[in-house]
Amino acid sequence: NAGVTQTPKFQVLKTGQSMTLQCAQDMNHEYMSWYRQDPGMGLRLIHYSVGAGITDQGEVPNGYNVSRSTTEDFPLRLLSAAPSQTSVYFCASSSWTSANEQFFGPGTRLTVL
Amino acid sequence: TQLLEQSPQFLSIQEGENLTVYCNSSSVFSSLQWYRQEPGEGPVLLVTVVTGGEVKKLKRLTFQFGDARKDSSLHITAAQPGDTGLYLCAGADRGSTLGRLYFGRGTQLTVWP
Repeated sequence: NAGVTQTPKFQVLKTGQSMTLQCAQDMNHEYMSWYRQDPGMGLRLIHYSVGAGITDQGEVPNGYNVSRSTTEDFPLRLLSAAPSQTSVYFCASSSWTSANEQFFGPGTRLTVL
Repeated sequence: TQLLEQSPQFLSIQEGENLTVYCNSSSVFSSLQWYRQEPGEGPVLLVTVVTGGEVKKLKRLTFQFGDARKDSSLHITAAQPGDTGLYLCAGADRGSTLGRLYFGRGTQLTVWP
């Protein structure tokens, strides 16, 4: 099993550009989530999904969209990138039987100029 | 508002010393997790505590959940350079959606040889 995979590993965008961060898991987990990590801030939840077709907002959802068409994939879309979105983004997944024990991907380091 | 407060934020010690990291909140949690994160990687789950007063040991690491399930501590005995990393606590709020975790800001531990 590959676990949770994220692409790309690094990305540089200009202000106003859009892009999609990819996340996939092969553990058949129902629950998936996106976090951003900024220095001294810990992990903050952006969006999460409790199953295919179901998504909800976390603490910091503004400027981001998600969809969950399959159990495996949970892409995060930046609609119009802003310098404040410069961060490291992590995708995580977990099963219903142990929903609070999350498996994290390796992260995407995004810089918005 | 940070739901979980971790202290200290930074800890720099010599190999062989003992240390304790604290995770405190005014909220009651249904469970609490500790993760460790190394540079350039995603967090990795160390332990989950569920019952008030519970103590779990993982080699030289001892985790304790407070009796009221509002706080937790991580104690490392005879720290080694390999223990270096960012330690994050995360709690599942009793009233929140299953799998919805709140993270502390982390404790950056450096163990010098």
